[in-house]
Amino acid sequence: SQTIHQWPATLVQPVGSPLSLECTVEGTSNPNLYWYRQAAGRGLQLLFYSVGIGQISSEVPQNLSASRPQDRQFILSSKKLLLSDSGFYLCAWSPGTSGFQEQYFGPGTRLTVT
Amino acid sequence: AQSVAQPEDQVKVAEGNPLTVKCTYSVSGNPYLFWYVQYPNRGLQFLLKYITGDNLVKGSYGFEAEFNKSQTSFHLKKPSALVSDSALYFCAVRDLTSSGGSYIPTFGRGTSLIVHP
Repeated sequence: SQTIHQWPATLVQPVGSPLSLECTVEGTSNPNLYWYRQAAGRGLQLLFYSVGIGQISSEVPQNLSASRPQDRQFILSSKKLLLSDSGFYLCAWSPGTSGFQEQYFGPGTRLTVT
Repeated sequence: AQSVAQPEDQVKVAEGNPLTVKCTYSVSGNPYLFWYVQYPNRGLQFLLKYITGDNLVKGSYGFEAEFNKSQTSFHLKKPSALVSDSALYFCAVRDLTSSGGSYIPTFGRGTSLIVHP
């Protein structure tokens, strides 16, 4: 069966510090991968998605970046965090072969920028 | 273009009563529709989906949803609510005619379901 991992679970970082969040998927190959941010107001904001190694699409211009160095690894980064980067970050995957498959979400990372 | 609306920020029901969480959508072609549930400080969990076929779709934890093409709705229902059903519920849609190699759904803002004893 497939599983998705995210770490760390929680993170408190000062403004201006770097960020690296990691997501890995097990039990599947060639997944589509996604990074979402969920603010306190509840809605999901799609940040990045990837259909293959090294292929990243950005949905929202900001100080975040994403990379996919391996097929089942997706990394969210920032060189300098802003207060507005606080939120709940969710990684998700879906099978890459079909558009009608649901997404599977990781447990999330709670980021607080102080 | 695709969009989805969840008109209620919050729904409150008594345990044992039926519940409905509303969702309406807009797509250019035929829709793929999904419901997810999120418990506090957790990721989203898939509940059910409509692709084609029967308008009544059954999913996890006793939930079901009814696809209504004329009303462009996909309301989530459960005959008898449990306190443990209290959570945040998200509706999502993908337009079947969308191009591109990725699967990018549009999510609603979510509806908070509160089931009280």
